[in-house]
Amino acid sequence: QQQVKQSPQSLIVQKGGISIINCAYENTAFDYFPWYQQFPGKGPALLIAIRPDVSEKKEGRFTISFNKSAKQFSLHIMDSQPGDSATYFCAASHSGYALNFGKGTSLLVTP
Amino acid sequence: GAVVSQHPSWVICKSGTSVKIECRSLDFQATTMFWYRQFPKQSLMLMATSNEGSKATYEQGVEKDKFLINHASLTLSTLTVTSAHPEDSSFYICSALSSGLANEQYFGPGTRLTVT
Repeated sequence: QQQVKQSPQSLIVQKGGISIINCAYENTAFDYFPWYQQFPGKGPALLIAIRPDVSEKKEGRFTISFNKSAKQFSLHIMDSQPGDSATYFCAASHSGYALNFGKGTSLLVTP
Repeated sequence: GAVVSQHPSWVICKSGTSVKIECRSLDFQATTMFWYRQFPKQSLMLMATSNEGSKATYEQGVEKDKFLINHASLTLSTLTVTSAHPEDSSFYICSALSSGLANEQYFGPGTRLTVT
């Protein structure tokens, strides 16, 4: 049972554009929502994370928007660059427990 | 900070042999570590949860006698793939839970296992 649903599966954005990836979860006990970036052959790298007590968190060009009532959260990448081309995974967990991952979004930023 | 290492980064072994993969948290203590495997173009699948000083908890469908996990210290967990077969070929990734860093999980770089 997929506890975190992620969309789209793939995304093509022009350089300078905004990349948006969405995730939805079912388990209301989840209280930790991270996003990971993964390049081919590498482990996932923690990009940004949010907890349900805030609705938005921004770090540089990356922003998480969180909607607790809708059980949805999204990643926005502003001013997308070719170097951002990677696979992005959203995840959710109850603190201290294993992460439940979305299926991933393959992002391609074209020059 | 929050660096997790894995060794080896890649390994090729013959069918029937065993392979040990190490996962270390370099700059923080991790009472809990997780082991995942990832097939090409797929998401990460949790295999087991490793707690320091106690037996690992395996996910449904993961053979505990085949994938031996030991978490002997607060900075080291090992995964041993016993009697490896070609279908065990995969990308194995560990993560470490940092209680001192708001319970965030940090991943190692992964180990590519190829069984011939």
